[in-house]
Amino acid sequence: KNEVEQSPQNLTAQEGEFITINCSYSVGISALHWLQQHPGGGIVSLFMLSSGKKKHGRLIATINIQEKHSSLHITASHPRDSAVYICAVNTGTASKLTFGTGTRLQVTL
Amino acid sequence: DVKVTQSSRYLVKRTGEKVFLECVQDMDHENMFWYRQDPGLGLRLIYFSYDVKMKEKGDIPEGYSVSREKKERFSLILESASTNQTSMYLCASSFGLGKLFFGSGTQLSVL
Repeated sequence: KNEVEQSPQNLTAQEGEFITINCSYSVGISALHWLQQHPGGGIVSLFMLSSGKKKHGRLIATINIQEKHSSLHITASHPRDSAVYICAVNTGTASKLTFGTGTRLQVTL
Repeated sequence: DVKVTQSSRYLVKRTGEKVFLECVQDMDHENMFWYRQDPGLGLRLIYFSYDVKMKEKGDIPEGYSVSREKKERFSLILESASTNQTSMYLCASSFGLGKLFFGSGTQLSVL
């Protein structure tokens, strides 16, 4: 069993829909990261959080440390949000990350 | 604008060749990482470095070595390339436990 599990693996939505991507982890963490990778592109860090909630534009990330769970929400989704979203965690004091396998999101018109 | 630059976007090499992948960051980050990304397997850590001349093995170091002679530069070396090392290679850097900054990746094909 992977230490970091994401669901769903694939997601198709229509423009304007509210989207939720989930991440569960089985180890103690010091921080959780949400990353975005567009097709053929590099990876961009969206959020790093260790508690509570963060918001940037239409993106919201939440984390529940007790339940070892995080969600990434996209409000009013747009085709340009189509990408792979990756959850990753810092375990303990280590600066290296453990990654989920990603959620592929496709937003259609 | 912060930058992590990887020397090549696409690379084609032959089995047995020695391959160098270079990564340079301009943010004075102490941590640098090399990952490979394969379909269905996600990102896997090959090596990382937390200071000049310091390195630690990641999850899949076999067949790879690294060099960090200067803080801004982290090189990944494939001593004798094999076909199972065909992959997307991504370099990243960070400061402490902060956000990671990634390069745009090198798609390596070993024939």
